[in-house]
Amino acid sequence: GESVGLHLPTLSVQEGDNSIINCAYSNSASDYFIWYKQESGKGPQFIIDIRSNMDKRQGQRVTVLLNKTVKHLSLQIAATQPGDSAVYFCAENIGHAGGTSYGKLTFGQGTILTVHP
Amino acid sequence: NAGVTQTPKFQVLKTGQSMTLQCAQDMNHNSMYWYRQDPGMGLRLIYYSASEGTTDKGEVPNGYNVSRLNKREFSLRLESAAPSQTSVYFCASTVRGGEPQHFGDGTRLSIL
Repeated sequence: GESVGLHLPTLSVQEGDNSIINCAYSNSASDYFIWYKQESGKGPQFIIDIRSNMDKRQGQRVTVLLNKTVKHLSLQIAATQPGDSAVYFCAENIGHAGGTSYGKLTFGQGTILTVHP
Repeated sequence: NAGVTQTPKFQVLKTGQSMTLQCAQDMNHNSMYWYRQDPGMGLRLIYYSASEGTTDKGEVPNGYNVSRLNKREFSLRLESAAPSQTSVYFCASTVRGGEPQHFGDGTRLSIL
């Protein structure tokens, strides 16, 4: 899995398999987490987000799990398709006193997902 | 619906030259951000504007300046470009902090 500060990991799966991409975060004050997909030559594309008062959130074919105890975030992609091949980034937002959030995201270094037909 | 538009898409500069990267969003978002992305790395925040009329430094602000021209536009200026500023620059916007940010497709900047 990825973590801020580690080398870019890779994940290779067969079409139809489920994929799990992991991310470790370091700041216990982070209150909002988000996953992005980035295709070559494009900007990051929002996939799914989760707030710190939740431990699971589901979207279409994607699920994000948050474990605050061990500061771990994961993205599960069901029935992975070749079009899912991309770099996936997690990002965290550190909350501020009084609930103000300026949206200052800290990104992980990304995981390369390759889906083979 | 264009979302976040960045211009130019590509640029080559010589060391010491200046240039301004432009960003505009049509989603009526309050907050805007500039990031840089270097090979094999995640995005790093350069500057942000939480609302029209305000700007603040991010993680890597040295060598850059910004202007929030109006609610739609947020520009990034390199006053004296250095080779270390060779990177892909992304602009993003969101309705408010703690909501998903929407990104443009980037400006690829090379400084020789």
